[in-house]
Amino acid sequence: RKEVEQDPGPFNVPEGATVAFNCTYSNSASQSFFWYRQDCRKEPKLLMSVYSSGNEDGRFTAQLNRASQYISLLIRDSKLSDSATYLCVVKSNSGYALNFGKGTSLLVTP
Amino acid sequence: DAGITQSPRHKVTETGTPVTLRCHQTENHRYMYWYRQDPGHGLRLIHYSYGVKDTDKGEVSDGYSVSRSKTEDFLLTLESATSSQTSVYFCAISEPPRGTGELFFGEGSRLTVL
Repeated sequence: RKEVEQDPGPFNVPEGATVAFNCTYSNSASQSFFWYRQDCRKEPKLLMSVYSSGNEDGRFTAQLNRASQYISLLIRDSKLSDSATYLCVVKSNSGYALNFGKGTSLLVTP
Repeated sequence: DAGITQSPRHKVTETGTPVTLRCHQTENHRYMYWYRQDPGHGLRLIHYSYGVKDTDKGEVSDGYSVSRSKTEDFLLTLESATSSQTSVYFCAISEPPRGTGELFFGEGSRLTVL
């Protein structure tokens, strides 16, 4: 079983819609959680960290449920520029590297 | 943007030939990583380094070797390239590793092995 699982999508939504992505992780000892964004043929970039209490950054809200080993990302009022692949990323409490999900593709249409 | 440069950015080679990809950083970050990204697999860690001459294997290290003789350079070598190593290779850096967890990625190197 892969350590980080995501629905690959694609999610096709109209501008202004709200869309949510989910992610599950297998290692209960995982300590740090992130969402990265990757544009087509570009490198991944950090979108936001995910904290236990949940956190918000403008139109983006991230939630963590440790009991269910589940992470979510909510995007409100979608913009055309939100079209990208969103990567769920988990770091265990040992080692240095991050484990990436395969990504969820989002296409926002006019 | 973080100062990370990968070279070459694109390379086409033949099966059995050696290939070296270079990652150069100007951030003086201690930790450097090589990932490969393939459709259906996402990003997978090949090797990483936690200091000069200190390296360790990742999830998909077979067929790859690395070297780090200077803080700023991390080399990935395919001793004898195979078609299964056709991929996009990303170098990444971080500092500190147990801090924010943010990785800064290079722009990627597209390798095609014929």
